[in-house]
Amino acid sequence: DAKTTQPTSMDCAEGRAANLPCNHSTISGNEYVYWYRQIHSQGPQYIIHGLKNNETNEMASLIITEDRKSSTLILPHATLRDTAVYYCIVVGDDMRFGAGTRLTVKP
Amino acid sequence: GAGVSQSPSNKVTEKGKDVELRCDPISGHTALYWYRQSLGQGLEFLIYFQGNSAPDKSGLPSDRFSAERTGGSVSTLTIQRTQQEDSAVYLCASRLWKNTGELFFGEGSRLTVL
Repeated sequence: DAKTTQPTSMDCAEGRAANLPCNHSTISGNEYVYWYRQIHSQGPQYIIHGLKNNETNEMASLIITEDRKSSTLILPHATLRDTAVYYCIVVGDDMRFGAGTRLTVKP
Repeated sequence: GAGVSQSPSNKVTEKGKDVELRCDPISGHTALYWYRQSLGQGLEFLIYFQGNSAPDKSGLPSDRFSAERTGGSVSTLTIQRTQQEDSAVYLCASRLWKNTGELFFGEGSRLTVL
């Protein structure tokens, strides 16, 4: 079973920040949190990952709580093309994905 | 090529037939994963290969499913006596080493069992 829980769906207005939460309360000390997204009918795409510190790249920011039991993916200025299913996973050997959050960006 | 390659991209078969799906990972990647995605559903883990170690088969749904990885590179997922519920997109992914690096996905093989 996946080690993460995410809301089933979220909406976001175009141009606004999208904040996608993820709970991973059983994460181990050396396990990373990875985020992927899957746009309809395509293979999943890597977004960002982190261990303890907050991370930022050209796509998104990742905020990890101090206790590492949850994290938030932030898309700072969501566009219509960001509509996708977003997966948060805790990286172990088997890389099991949960059901993800279906983000719909609306005009 | 530079990415994970899967074939065939589409496969239509009749119930009861066997099918083979192929995955060619990125060169040098030691870890290889197979997932299944039914219509409108999330990614279901099937099997994981790491180097020459015994694969983790814990996600295979039945004994009709098997996979092998020859020479630590190309992998084949075999489904015997296909059933209609096997219809799905089968995704392969690879990464350089377990616990490190991002997972690179192929575009998947869409299987339709009539």
